[in-house]
Amino acid sequence: DAKTTQPPSMDCAEGRAANLPCNHSTISGNEYVYWYRQIHSQGPQYIIHGLKNNETNEMASLIITEDRKSSTLILPHATLRDTAVYYCIVRVAGASKIIFGSGTRLSIRP
Amino acid sequence: SQTIHQWPATLVQPVGSPLSLECTVEGTSNPNLYWYRQAAGRGLQLLFYSVGIGQISSEVPQNLSASRPQDRQFILSSKKLLLSDSGFYLCAWDRDRGEAFFGQGTRLTVV
Repeated sequence: DAKTTQPPSMDCAEGRAANLPCNHSTISGNEYVYWYRQIHSQGPQYIIHGLKNNETNEMASLIITEDRKSSTLILPHATLRDTAVYYCIVRVAGASKIIFGSGTRLSIRP
Repeated sequence: SQTIHQWPATLVQPVGSPLSLECTVEGTSNPNLYWYRQAAGRGLQLLFYSVGIGQISSEVPQNLSASRPQDRQFILSSKKLLLSDSGFYLCAWDRDRGEAFFGQGTRLTVV
């Protein structure tokens, strides 16, 4: 599995867009980018994933650069409930282990 | 819809006692199954990974073992718990799309 690099922490004002970056410069052609988040004392929650096209769902948007070496998770209107650790993972869909890195601790300030 | 059950939610066990944590998945077949541990204030460490019945991959040497007696059942065990086994244990599953779903976790305290 390719490794990812994320900033250890970020903060964002409530109501603003939170943009969480992830570098995955060694990603392989068949590896997807997945994002999860873990709210304190809970199991991780799947957010979104993509291969090379930008993706959007009810929770977030995922922007993947054309060379696929980096991506950004966008929470369009951050709320206090979005305070969590966000993990970016690259892997072959359903066919390799899920290894979590250190993630980004996102704090939302009122 | 698919669901994952993990129990118990909390557990306090003395050092040297055995452990058995169970995880079951409903609404899917042939899932990949995972056991993770998270020590206090730390990240998620993959302990075991299974792609099918009886097929278990151990990721780190430790005092724990895992078994998969049925397609949608994953059990984490120990014969003798150590203080260092304390932590938050999470079971998860995924399949073809790769979206993983996690249980609510078991908070284990070894005393």
